[in-house]
Amino acid sequence: AQTVTQSQPEMSVQEAETVTLSCTYDTSESDYYLFWYKQPPSRQMILVIRQEAYKQQNATENRFSVNFQKAAKSFSLKISDSQLGDAAMYFCASLSSGTYKYIFGTGTRLKVLA
Amino acid sequence: DTGVSQDPRHKITKRGQNVTFRCDPISEHNRLYWYRQTLGQGPEFLTYFQNEAQLEKSRLLSDRFSAERPKGSFSTLEIQRTEQGDSAMYLCASSPGQGREQYFGPGTRLTVT
Repeated sequence: AQTVTQSQPEMSVQEAETVTLSCTYDTSESDYYLFWYKQPPSRQMILVIRQEAYKQQNATENRFSVNFQKAAKSFSLKISDSQLGDAAMYFCASLSSGTYKYIFGTGTRLKVLA
Repeated sequence: DTGVSQDPRHKITKRGQNVTFRCDPISEHNRLYWYRQTLGQGPEFLTYFQNEAQLEKSRLLSDRFSAERPKGSFSTLEIQRTEQGDSAMYLCASSPGQGREQYFGPGTRLTVT
């Protein structure tokens, strides 16, 4: 069975600094996809970044990048130059190829301090 | 393209009543998902449609829950004989294909009194 674990319930970062959110996952599949989603307070969830497991290169989207360690089954999110608008819940999710079910972690609440 | 919409945004009901929620996905997306999210938790998978076919349903769902997606367009989620434990945010998401990201709606917050 797929599992996704986010061990940091809450993180804080100073504005303009860098923060890394952790995520580990477990799957028996060799082909899968990993995602980070952001859920701002009282707003809908949006995609931050997506990684295909067969790609060794880490995905990047502007200030957001991942550190994908396939052997360790680790998928951390790095946010550079943190902004006040980055404050949100961040969810890590996985999807194994050939299945329909996305599995989400319990989330990390990110606070950005001015 | 206005994104995924859900209606209503909030619903307060008394225990034992039936409720129905609607989701309108992004029009070209053939995949539609329903999730339940409680405070401080991640979305919990409820069911999945590909076009009009319901291909997977969580074993966590009791028989009181049913979902439909007639004609592969909008979807409805019905909860019969609501219980206080059903109080949660119900999220709908659509996706354009396998392995692609999901686009979430704003959710319907259900409160059962």
